[in-house]
Amino acid sequence: SNGVTQPPSVSVSPGQTASIPCSGDTLENTNACWFQQKPGQSPVMVIYQNNRRPSGIPERFSGSKSGNTATLTISGTQAIDEAAYYCQTWGSNTDVVFGGGTKLTVL
Amino acid sequence: EVQLVQSGPEVKKSGESLKISCKASGYTFTSNWIAWVRQMPGKGLEWMATIYPGDSDTKYSPSFQGQVTISADKSISTAYLQWRSLKATDTAMYYCARLDSRGFQYWGQGTLVAVSS
Repeated sequence: SNGVTQPPSVSVSPGQTASIPCSGDTLENTNACWFQQKPGQSPVMVIYQNNRRPSGIPERFSGSKSGNTATLTISGTQAIDEAAYYCQTWGSNTDVVFGGGTKLTVL
Repeated sequence: EVQLVQSGPEVKKSGESLKISCKASGYTFTSNWIAWVRQMPGKGLEWMATIYPGDSDTKYSPSFQGQVTISADKSISTAYLQWRSLKATDTAMYYCARLDSRGFQYWGQGTLVAVSS
């Protein structure tokens, strides 16, 4: 299967750690990227190649991958991190695959 | 600086045709794949199609094959997404994004397409 699955929502208290998983068979053999999208804005890459951070992205954002699951971790979560987060990887025939998205709520 | 500037919002009727654009600047247009991504109201990101402007090689998501056409004009560094006959269910925000060694690091600002029945 090409699909990847994310939980629809995750809640976290300010200052705590948020973890968002993304699972799918295709992740066994491909890298994962993560995007943050705030309402009314274009997606922004926060992690590429499983665990690398683009310049300008705060250090509190990190990524990991083990087997068929990639995880985005936000340490010391802030109110400004409240957004939708999407994982993205590659399927067969180099098709682009997005997860369904996770709404992160900072309570 | 890499920039992808998309065409403005569109309001159309079912059955009409439409072509939206994504103008690239700040890099060699023919050297990177460009993708189109749909986001229906309140929903997630869906990959539609990708084109390599260097040789116009294209890939389509099975979900969108035959429903849209992706193209590019190297002379003006612009990628396009086209519909022959719009449906109300095509109402969505459409983003273009450039693929590089890191992935989709650069995105356009989005084009809102509203189709009434």
